[in-house]
Amino acid sequence: DTEVTQTPKHLVMGMTNKKSLKCEQHMGHRAMYWYKQKAKKPPELMFVYSYEKLSINESVPSRFSPECPNSSLLNLHLHALQPEDSALYLCASSQVSIRGGRYNEQFFGPGTRLTVL
Amino acid sequence: AQTVTQSQPEMSVQEAETVTLSCTYDTSESDYYLFWYKQPPSRQMILVIRQEAYKQQNATENRFSVNFQKAAKSFSLKISDSQLGDAAMYFCAYRTRNSGNTPLVFGKGTRLSVIA
Repeated sequence: DTEVTQTPKHLVMGMTNKKSLKCEQHMGHRAMYWYKQKAKKPPELMFVYSYEKLSINESVPSRFSPECPNSSLLNLHLHALQPEDSALYLCASSQVSIRGGRYNEQFFGPGTRLTVL
Repeated sequence: AQTVTQSQPEMSVQEAETVTLSCTYDTSESDYYLFWYKQPPSRQMILVIRQEAYKQQNATENRFSVNFQKAAKSFSLKISDSQLGDAAMYFCAYRTRNSGNTPLVFGKGTRLSVIA
């Protein structure tokens, strides 16, 4: 199984709503990533988890709250979002890289298209 | 900080022809990886090809090959015998070769159209 799944595929929410995005992989990867991608732009890294611990937070606003409950799951909790947060949210996973070791490919999910009204 | 530049926002190619997408990068490091990712309208990012900087030989994956010029910091992608399914956004990306899962640095992308 070389698949990263994301749910939901589409999400429309108001600025006062609380919602969550879910990402799941069963490849035994211990590194998981959240990216935000605006239309016709490259993905921007938001968070990296390594062995279920947050290792990188790219100065993301606190209205985005990541969670890694176990090695297969990654959540992104959303609260009080702004219309400018509307984007495609991509999840990815990989083996944990070791200095000098082989590159471990990041496998991407299909994304959740988020619209904030 | 590393940067990746794709100077061609859009390209088009006739079906069965060959097209080359350009990518340049800037880094002070000597050991790193370079990638080309494809993102079709279905949105899923797919790794097309990877090059390790310490390898002089250009990577090849079926119809996809790269021209890696380390001194010039250039990493172009050649697609031979283009197919309709090759139509997508192509991103060039860089990653340092160290531990800690440092992130990919992406270029702005090149949108490739394939004309039947």
